[in-house]
Amino acid sequence: DAGVTQSPTHLIKTRGQQVTLRCSPKSGHDTVSWYQQALGQGPQFIFQYYEEEERQRGNFPDRFSGHQFPNYSSELNVNALLLGDSALYLCASGGRLTNEKLFFGSGTQLSVL
Amino acid sequence: KQEVTQIPAALSVPEGENLVLNCSFTDSAIYNLQWFRQDPGKGLTSLLLIQSSQREQTSGRLNASLDKSSGRSTLYIAASQPGDSATYLCARYNQGGKLIFGQGTELSVKP
Repeated sequence: DAGVTQSPTHLIKTRGQQVTLRCSPKSGHDTVSWYQQALGQGPQFIFQYYEEEERQRGNFPDRFSGHQFPNYSSELNVNALLLGDSALYLCASGGRLTNEKLFFGSGTQLSVL
Repeated sequence: KQEVTQIPAALSVPEGENLVLNCSFTDSAIYNLQWFRQDPGKGLTSLLLIQSSQREQTSGRLNASLDKSSGRSTLYIAASQPGDSATYLCARYNQGGKLIFGQGTELSVKP
């Protein structure tokens, strides 16, 4: 039973570029959330997808967008990259009940130069 | 504002010591609370989930408690080992299933 998988593991981009990160949820899960974790900080919620719709959104600009596919996998897109977007991006999956335990992937380390 | 605070920010102990990590939150309308472990540059490993109706959860050498009236949770680690060295994060759930994290406690267990 595969857990939450994220790709790529590491990514280097330059300012102004666009990036797409991918996540496959744990088997049986249909809800995917994305978090950004800056160095030395706790993760910050970006948004959550359920049934291919954005269900909740954190305090992130519109440069951050996402998508969920019919197979429940998800993408996080960031446009016009800034140096401050450098962080570990974590994907979490869970069931449709909002109080169920969340499982996290290993993350994508994004460096913006 | 929903905030989660973890104290201390860093902790160094000798092997074998019992220790307590603290987590406090400002919103009394707590749902569930979850403790995670994170190794450097890695993702989050779930340790314990405490449902809002529960007061504590135990797994091996770990015990987590939840006191909603005081807005606190503690993670107790018994007989610490060098392999326990990591950052420990607590996070509370909001109504929609979003996690609000503390900044973590960086634990170092010296052999």
